[in-house]
Amino acid sequence: AQSVTQLGSHVSVSEGALVLLRCNYSSSVPPYLFWYVQYPNQGLQLLLKYTTGATLVKGINGFEAEFKKSETSFHLTKPSAHMSDAAEYFCAVSRKGAQKLVFGQGTRLTINP
Amino acid sequence: DTGVSQDPRHKITKRGQNVTFRCDPISEHNRLYWYRQTLGQGPEFLTYFQNEAQLEKSRLLSDRFSAERPKGSFSTLEIQRTEQGDSAMYLCASSGTGQETQYFGPGTRLLVL
Repeated sequence: AQSVTQLGSHVSVSEGALVLLRCNYSSSVPPYLFWYVQYPNQGLQLLLKYTTGATLVKGINGFEAEFKKSETSFHLTKPSAHMSDAAEYFCAVSRKGAQKLVFGQGTRLTINP
Repeated sequence: DTGVSQDPRHKITKRGQNVTFRCDPISEHNRLYWYRQTLGQGPEFLTYFQNEAQLEKSRLLSDRFSAERPKGSFSTLEIQRTEQGDSAMYLCASSGTGQETQYFGPGTRLLVL
């Protein structure tokens, strides 16, 4: 079975500061990994994904994440936070051929002016 | 590409009533998924269709829940004899064959009184 753990249900950073949201996964087979963002009362929007190949993946809005197999991690970063980044962020895992995503519990990101 | 749409966006019902939600996927996508998201949690997989065939159901999908996709296009999710524990956001997603990315709709928020 696959699972995801997001460390920190709430993260608060100042505008312009580094954003780091942590995600660790468990999977017995090579994982596909995703970060989604959810704004209030909206659905989920894909930020970025890792399937195969380059372990550092870049996404929309200046976000990037690095797949580290040895650490079973897929942490999300952004060098400089913007007020518009305030939202809920979800890490998810699946595998090749599987049809369902397994999500973490989410991290709420707050940006302080 | 108009994205995944869901109707209604909000539904308030009394305990014991039946409710039905609709999802229209991205037009060329043959895979359709339903997830449930409770407050403060990540989405949980409910069921998945490939064309009109329902290929996987979660144990979360009790016998009060039924999903259909009769012509392989839109899908409906019905909850019979609603309970207060059914209060949640119901999310629909779609993807194309061989595509690992799922695109989410805005969700239907259900409140059972």
